[in-house]
Amino acid sequence: DAKTTQPPSMDCAEGRAANLPCNHSTISGNEYVYWYRQIHSQGPQYIIHGLKNNETNEMASLIITEDRKSSTLILPHATLRDTAVYYCIVRSGDDNYGQNFVFGPGTRLSVLP
Amino acid sequence: DGGITQSPKYLFRKEGQNVTLSCEQNLNHDAMYWYRQDPGQGLRLIYYSQIVNDFQKGDIAEGYSVSREKKESFPLTVTSAQKNPTAFYLCASSLGLGSYEQYFGPGTRLTVT
Repeated sequence: DAKTTQPPSMDCAEGRAANLPCNHSTISGNEYVYWYRQIHSQGPQYIIHGLKNNETNEMASLIITEDRKSSTLILPHATLRDTAVYYCIVRSGDDNYGQNFVFGPGTRLSVLP
Repeated sequence: DGGITQSPKYLFRKEGQNVTLSCEQNLNHDAMYWYRQDPGQGLRLIYYSQIVNDFQKGDIAEGYSVSREKKESFPLTVTSAQKNPTAFYLCASSLGLGSYEQYFGPGTRLTVT
């Protein structure tokens, strides 16, 4: 079973920041938060991951609350090409015996012109 | 260019026939995965392989079989025992089983009538 809860859908205006929430209230101390996205009829694409500190890369920022029970993925300036399903996944860390990813239904983000 | 290829993009079969989906990667990754996706749903893990000549069942392995005779290849056979084979099938690979990033292929959409 997925360990995360996400809203099924969200809209965002083009050029604005898209803030995608994720609840993971049962997260364990050694589990990371990962975000992937899937553009229609393509394979998912890795975006970012983090343990407890906020993370930023060229695609997005990840804000994790201090108690680690929720997080927010931020796309700072959403474009039409960011329209996709976004998956928030909780999984143990990087090692060869890690758990598999569990992709739940995700959040369908629609970026509107 | 490095990546994962799946062929064909669309596949049509009659009920009762076995069908094999191709997945090839030239990323020199050890781990490979097969997922199934139904409309409006997340991904479900069918099989995964950590290394050549080794593979493990995922959450929904019944009615499927795999082989891993070469590092770069991980074909999936959908057998006639699979009750609802029509779906979108995604192959992925990663450096190791616990790597944070899985690289996905473009997928094969299988329709069985």
